[in-house]
Amino acid sequence: AQSVAQPEDQVNVAEGNPLTVKCTYSVSGNPYLFWYVQYPNRGLQFLLKYITGDNLVKGSYGFEAEFNKSQTSFHLKKPSALVSDSALYFCAVRGSNSNSGYALNFGKGTSLLVTP
Amino acid sequence: GAGVSQTPSNKVTEKGKYVELRCDPISGHTALYWYRQSLGQGPEFLIYFQGTGAADDSGLPNDRFFAVRPEGSVSTLKIQRTERGDSAVYLCASSVGGGGSYEQYFGPGTRLTVT
Repeated sequence: AQSVAQPEDQVNVAEGNPLTVKCTYSVSGNPYLFWYVQYPNRGLQFLLKYITGDNLVKGSYGFEAEFNKSQTSFHLKKPSALVSDSALYFCAVRGSNSNSGYALNFGKGTSLLVTP
Repeated sequence: GAGVSQTPSNKVTEKGKYVELRCDPISGHTALYWYRQSLGQGPEFLIYFQGTGAADDSGLPNDRFFAVRPEGSVSTLKIQRTERGDSAVYLCASSVGGGGSYEQYFGPGTRLTVT
């Protein structure tokens, strides 16, 4: 089954410092990977995706992610964190079932706290 | 443009009651998904519609849950004889297609509390 793991429940970083939120995946076949962000009392917002091509994917709000096939990872990164980046981040992988429209399988989420 | 909307935003109901949760997808999106998010967890798939038909309802936990999308746009998730374990945030998402390479756009969710 297609799955992702987010090994950190929480990541703390000071404003202005680089941030990394980790995600590893387990799939059969080629992975289709996604990052979403969830602010309190709001739905998930799409940040970026990797389907194929360049291993470094750029997304919304200055975020980027690096696809690493040998390490089966898809870590989310940002060069300089903002306090407003504090939120819950979810990594997801496309499921393998076409009948379900390839519904996403999500990790448990990582809470990012950026302190001033 | 308008995103995915869900109503109500919050629903408190008593155990045993019937509830309906509504989702308005982005106009033109043919694929529609329902997910359920429990506290401290990522969303979990419930049901998928391509057009009007439920292509896959394998994620529905039991036969108390049912969803419809009669005209290929608005969808309603229906829960009969609610139980306290049904308490969660129910998320709806839509996509241009169900091919898997398209990102899904999520609504703000309905927080269901069963007392």
